[in-house]
Amino acid sequence: NAGVMQNPRHLVRRRGQEARLRCSPMKGHSHVYWYRQLPEEGLKFMVYLQKENIIDESGMPKERFSAEFPKEGPSILRIQQVVRGDSAAYFCASSRDRSEAFFGQGTRLTVV
Amino acid sequence: DQQVKQNSPSLSVQEGRISILNCDYTNSMFDYFLWYKKYPAEGPTFLISISSIKDKNEDGRFTVFLNKSAKHLSLHIVPSQPGDSAVYFCAALARTSGTYKYIFGTGTRLKVLA
Repeated sequence: NAGVMQNPRHLVRRRGQEARLRCSPMKGHSHVYWYRQLPEEGLKFMVYLQKENIIDESGMPKERFSAEFPKEGPSILRIQQVVRGDSAAYFCASSRDRSEAFFGQGTRLTVV
Repeated sequence: DQQVKQNSPSLSVQEGRISILNCDYTNSMFDYFLWYKKYPAEGPTFLISISSIKDKNEDGRFTVFLNKSAKHLSLHIVPSQPGDSAVYFCAALARTSGTYKYIFGTGTRLKVLA
């Protein structure tokens, strides 16, 4: 049973470009969460999704950030017009329901 | 508004001794708590969890204690090993209006000295 798969592991983007981060949850898990970790900080909740639904996006910046979890395929976190402050590690987690969440290895985004 | 707090950013412990990592929370509606371990450049790894109907859960060298009246939980690692050196995050599962999300503390960096 493969774990949570995130790709790419590292992503470099120039300011103003778009970043797309992908997350495939564990088999049987229908809940997906995205977290961001800035250097020397904790894990900040961004968004919680179930298939085709955004349940809670209270942690998402209002502009430039969006997330989806389509019926088929991975969950996508999209950042448009990236700025240097977007440089961080982005982690995806999945859970079966109200239970333990399992994390992927993360995508380290660097904006140059 | 930090609902889950880990007030000790770092902790050093001698190998073989007990490591005690602490976590406080403010929301009495939290009813499920988890501990994760994180190595640099890796994702957090689930360690152990506890439901609010219990006050203790044990798994090998790891034990989590929950004191609901004090809104406090702790992770005990006995005996500590150098491989336990990592950042430990405490998390609470928040349920509001049909949504679930895991609220994390800021982490405690544990260093186990050989």
